[in-house]
Amino acid sequence: DAGVTQSPTHLIKTRGQHVTLRCSPISGHKSVSWYQQVLGQGPQFIFQYYEKEERGRGNFPDRFSARQFPNYSSELNVNALLLGDSALYLCASRGPGVNTGELFFGEGSRLTVL
Amino acid sequence: KQEVTQIPAALSVPEGENLVLNCSFTDSAIYNLQWFRQDPGKGLTSLLLIQSSQREQTSGRLNASLDKSSGRSTLYIAASQPGDSATYLCAPQDPDQAGTALIFGKGTTLSVSS
Repeated sequence: DAGVTQSPTHLIKTRGQHVTLRCSPISGHKSVSWYQQVLGQGPQFIFQYYEKEERGRGNFPDRFSARQFPNYSSELNVNALLLGDSALYLCASRGPGVNTGELFFGEGSRLTVL
Repeated sequence: KQEVTQIPAALSVPEGENLVLNCSFTDSAIYNLQWFRQDPGKGLTSLLLIQSSQREQTSGRLNASLDKSSGRSTLYIAASQPGDSATYLCAPQDPDQAGTALIFGKGTTLSVSS
């Protein structure tokens, strides 16, 4: 069975641009979360979606948004990119409930903002 | 606000040693706690999930304990191997936002020499 898959794996953007990151959860998982990990730090929670609804939001500006589709895949969007947005963006899924069970992570999308 | 501290920040040991990684958290009202390993530039691999009602969990050479009242968890690695070299992260499931978020420390970077 496939694990959590993320795309793209690496991307480079310039300040002010917009980026969309994609995630497919483990089959059967309805909950998808997004985390940002800057170099040398632990991951920081951005969003969680369950059954296409936002169920949790971390302390990130409104430039960050996300959505979940009927097939439970998810997109993370970041507008007006800043140099400080350079990070590894991790997607995770869990099942069966919104906050129960083990959390499984993908390999991440490495974003570099120049 | 939940804060997670992991001690030591880095650890170097020869192959075969038994070792203990420490994790402390400030808010004891957590749901569960999960331990992960992260290889450089990669995503997170789940090692153990300790439910809030459990005091410990074992998987192979790994044993994790949880003492919610004192806000502490430990990860014990028996007979360490070079393949264990990685950063180890503990993450309690925070009660804020209905337990949707894991809160991470900076991790312990382990190096096992052959």
